[in-house]
Amino acid sequence: AQKITQTQPGMFVQEKEAVTLDCTYDTSDPSYGLFWYKQPSSGEMIFLIYQGSYDQQNATEGRYSLNFQKARKSANLVISASQLGDSAMYFCAMSRSGGSNYKLTFGKGTLLTVNP
Amino acid sequence: ETGVTQTPRHLVMGMTNKKSLKCEQHLGHNAMYWYKQSAKKPLELMFVYNFKEQTENNSVPSRFSPECPNSSHLFLHLHTLQPEDSALYLCASSQDQDRVDGYTFGSGTRLTVV
Repeated sequence: AQKITQTQPGMFVQEKEAVTLDCTYDTSDPSYGLFWYKQPSSGEMIFLIYQGSYDQQNATEGRYSLNFQKARKSANLVISASQLGDSAMYFCAMSRSGGSNYKLTFGKGTLLTVNP
Repeated sequence: ETGVTQTPRHLVMGMTNKKSLKCEQHLGHNAMYWYKQSAKKPLELMFVYNFKEQTENNSVPSRFSPECPNSSHLFLHLHTLQPEDSALYLCASSQDQDRVDGYTFGSGTRLTVV
């Protein structure tokens, strides 16, 4: 079974500073994907970034980067130059690669608050 | 505006009511999902449909009844719900193989059972 752990219920960061949101995972699958989603108060889940388990380099998407440490089974999200609009819930998720039953398993989330 | 549309956005219903949630996607995806999001809990997968066929029912009580008439539409029929069923219900879609962008989610229906 797959499991995602996000140990930070809430995080605070000053505007324009960087912040790291922690995510650890557990799986016996040799191939998997790791995702981060952002959920503003409106409720919509917004895809941010993806890392494949065999990818050699850490994924980056604009101000988002994923610090992937496979041996430690961690996939932390780094947000650089935080903006007020970054205030939201952030979820780490994992997929099982391949097969017809493509499913995502989510962590409990981290509430990020960006202070002006 | 996302590629997955959910209606209604908000719903308040009594325990004896019958209501339905609707989800629609025009992304050409083959798989659709219902997730339940309760406060301070991870998203819980409820149902998975692949090419209109239900491929997973995650031990969901029978008071929740899904329907998938085609690959673009997914419904969740609700009847005799309990107050603990109050939650945000999220619909999502994806291709049936691993994709780097995972799911596309709708904005959810916030359900309150009184």
